[in-house]
Amino acid sequence: KQEVTQIPAALSVPEGENLVLNCSFTDSAIYNLQWFRQDPGKGLTSLLLIQSSQREQTSGRLNASLDKSSGRSTLYIAASQPGDSATYLCAVRRIRDDKIIFGKGTRLHILP
Amino acid sequence: SQTIHQWPATLVQPVGSPLSLECTVEGTSNPNLYWYRQAAGRGLQLLFYSVGIGQISSEVPQNLSASRPQDRQFILSSKKLLLSDSGFYLCAWSTGLSTGELFFGEGSRLTVL
Repeated sequence: KQEVTQIPAALSVPEGENLVLNCSFTDSAIYNLQWFRQDPGKGLTSLLLIQSSQREQTSGRLNASLDKSSGRSTLYIAASQPGDSATYLCAVRRIRDDKIIFGKGTRLHILP
Repeated sequence: SQTIHQWPATLVQPVGSPLSLECTVEGTSNPNLYWYRQAAGRGLQLLFYSVGIGQISSEVPQNLSASRPQDRQFILSSKKLLLSDSGFYLCAWSTGLSTGELFFGEGSRLTVL
């Protein structure tokens, strides 16, 4: 059974700090891993998609890495801003049935 | 560019009433379509997914059903709502490729009273 775990469940950091969000998954047979952002009461916004053959992807202040063999991904946010406050979710697309499995997310609060 | 629309955004329904949530995708053809439910503290639960017209796979047995009458239209329905059906429902799409990115609609907040 594929499980996706995100630790911590919640995180508060002062504005300007760099931070890392973690995502781990039990089954390494995946097509890709995707990071999302969700604001309260809204849908999910795709941030980064990493294919299984890739090691990392970057978009602006965001950098996501993937270590498939150890079942881990990290989302690095540089120079955090209050507008980065949101819930961040990761999801893996597993090979055996092409299903997309989500973690429960990390609720991030950037303190002004 | 591709867009996904979902409606209604908010719905308050009495127990035992029917439900219809609609989702349409524009700018692509033959997408994979998904219905998820998000309950507080429980994460995203996949309810249904579809790889083509009339092809629906159910993940969770319950009183909900889904239909795909057109290539880019996905409907979530219920004949009689339960209190436990309350939640935030999200429609999503991806290309048919296994490497495809997943995109979400804005969600529908359902409250069953």
